[in-house]
Amino acid sequence: GESVGLHLPTLSVQEGDNSIINCAYSNSASDYFIWYKQESGKGPQFIIDIRSNMDKRQGQRVTVLLNKTVKHLSLQIAATQPGDSAVYFCAEKETGGFKTIFGAGTRLFVKA
Amino acid sequence: ETGVTQTPRHLVMGMTNKKSLKCEQHLGHNAMYWYKQSAKKPLELMFVYNFKEQTENNSVPSRFSPECPNSSHLFLHLHTLQPEDSALYLCASSQEERGNEQYFGPGTRLTVT
Repeated sequence: GESVGLHLPTLSVQEGDNSIINCAYSNSASDYFIWYKQESGKGPQFIIDIRSNMDKRQGQRVTVLLNKTVKHLSLQIAATQPGDSAVYFCAEKETGGFKTIFGAGTRLFVKA
Repeated sequence: ETGVTQTPRHLVMGMTNKKSLKCEQHLGHNAMYWYKQSAKKPLELMFVYNFKEQTENNSVPSRFSPECPNSSHLFLHLHTLQPEDSALYLCASSQEERGNEQYFGPGTRLTVT
């Protein structure tokens, strides 16, 4: 299930450091945003989501920030671990719509 | 495990072959999706089914034919494919068509020779 040979932006971080993955979304009408993680051999897995009435949401070791003014989304991973190595996708959607639009993804490498 | 299974995991087929991909979800969801993930593009939505009815065909060529016999099963029938159709085909499901979080299967890696 890995991203098949995509030439993705890459982020390389040291184990224990914090990671920040950025995403620009395209549709001003999107009001629901999701981050997915795709590990090698697997399909994308839900990490965290945020609605447009919020600008920050925290999960376990992850935080999503939303800036609607500039249509920017970021995912922060605290104390990055080797198991966090994967491709991360942001996705946008209009509530009530059926179509989720995925970004190209960012590949995160965690150095031990 | 996400509750969504796909078979086969790998498939190599010639351009004149006919094959089918299978997806099954054990989550009680009502909506199922086919996506294509290739080296050149982000995840592309192909088809959406809601309560067994197709609600979206995202301009997919007719050599791809979906089938949804019930809310738990989804097939993608393939015939006379082209080498550029080689990709990872992902199935996903959600509570309902307009639901937000989608659960993905592991995908079928398809190679067309």
